[in-house]
Amino acid sequence: AQKVTQAQTEISVVEKEDVTLDCVYETRDTTYYLFWYKQPPSGELVFLIRRNSFDEQNEISGRYSWNFQKSTSSFNFTITASQVVDSAVYFCALSEAGNTGKLIFGQGTTLQVKP
Amino acid sequence: DAGITQSPRHKVTETGTPVTLRCHQTENHRYMYWYRQDPGHGLRLIHYSYGVKDTDKGEVSDGYSVSRSKTEDFLLTLESATSSQTSVYFCAIATGEQFFGPGTRLTVL
Repeated sequence: AQKVTQAQTEISVVEKEDVTLDCVYETRDTTYYLFWYKQPPSGELVFLIRRNSFDEQNEISGRYSWNFQKSTSSFNFTITASQVVDSAVYFCALSEAGNTGKLIFGQGTTLQVKP
Repeated sequence: DAGITQSPRHKVTETGTPVTLRCHQTENHRYMYWYRQDPGHGLRLIHYSYGVKDTDKGEVSDGYSVSRSKTEDFLLTLESATSSQTSVYFCAIATGEQFFGPGTRLTVL
């Protein structure tokens, strides 16, 4: 069965610190997709990234970076020089290959960035 | 903006009453989804649709039904609401990524 685990329930950092959010997944599919979403206090879900299982290159987008390692079934998310606006709940999700696109979500990590 | 709206945005109802939530998209996407979000569980799939009149169950489908008579609308119905269905409900469409609607906060008293 597919499963996503975000072991960190809550993380608190001080502004400008770097922070890494962990995501570990389980799947028997050889082709799959991994996602990160941000949910700010306003409640909407904001898409951050999608990565397919054949692309293990790390990705950087501004202060955000993602480390995908198939060997450890992990897809970790790092925020460099965190800011108060980064305070949110972050979800990692897994999707099977094919057209259905159903997402399996982790439990979410609440990040609090203090000024 | 993926053009997804949900209605109502907030609803309070009583146990045993039927409730229908509506998801509307303007993008003509084939795949639509209903998820519920609860503390400690992340989001869990309730039902999804892969076309008009084509729907299937997700992980937590008990107590819910869906209908899709038009491409743009996907309805979620709680036939007889229970307190355990108090949750935030999100609709989503798939375009490669999945984009989510703004959510509906449902409270069942």
